[in-house]
Amino acid sequence: EVQLVESGGGLVQPGGSLRLSCAASGFTFSSYDMHWVRQATGKGLEWVSAIGTAGDTYYPGSVKGRFTISRENAKNSLYLQMNSLRAGDTAVYYCARAGPDGSVDYWGQGTLVTVSS
Amino acid sequence: EIVLTQSPGTLSLSPGERATLSCRASQSVSSSYLAWYQQKPGQAPRLLIYGASSRATGIPDRFSGSGSGTDFTLTISRLEPEDFAVYYCQQYGSSPPTWTFGQGTKVEIK
Repeated sequence: EVQLVESGGGLVQPGGSLRLSCAASGFTFSSYDMHWVRQATGKGLEWVSAIGTAGDTYYPGSVKGRFTISRENAKNSLYLQMNSLRAGDTAVYYCARAGPDGSVDYWGQGTLVTVSS
Repeated sequence: EIVLTQSPGTLSLSPGERATLSCRASQSVSSSYLAWYQQKPGQAPRLLIYGASSRATGIPDRFSGSGSGTDFTLTISRLEPEDFAVYYCQQYGSSPPTWTFGQGTKVEIK
């Protein structure tokens, strides 16, 4: 069974940093592209970052230069380093596995990040 | 940047009725790269449809996807009580790689 378990969320002040982790199990982690997707309370889904099996990374303009996605295949782990955090980054952050044809086929339960003074 | 617009914002229907949800893209989207998700309150999204019309593993056949170019549709043939949720469309663009979601359609019990 595919499982994705996020951790590392919490309360951080504007301008601060936070590192999210995602522990993957139930599949060959190194063989899959991975994503982070976020959702502000009561709002829709927003793609945050992706990393390929070769370590290639992708970001939307809203987080580029502030967020860094990385992976550690030996530990079946995905990470998101978030710097220069803003109130608008407040959301539940989901770790997710890339599915067929550009989709996202498995999601974790999410970890809440709150940026507030 | 492709923008996905879903309509209607809210769909009020009764169990047993047919639901038709629309996703319109600001530019042509490859049909291979259009997906639909279901999200219930307090839960993570669940993949329903990928490649515009292929059902994901374990998805009942009352869910179907169709469309091409800029207009895509998710149809739920007969609503079951567990189908009342929010539905999102999503597209993948390759140059550069980006993943974009629509704003969602809420299917609520009438």
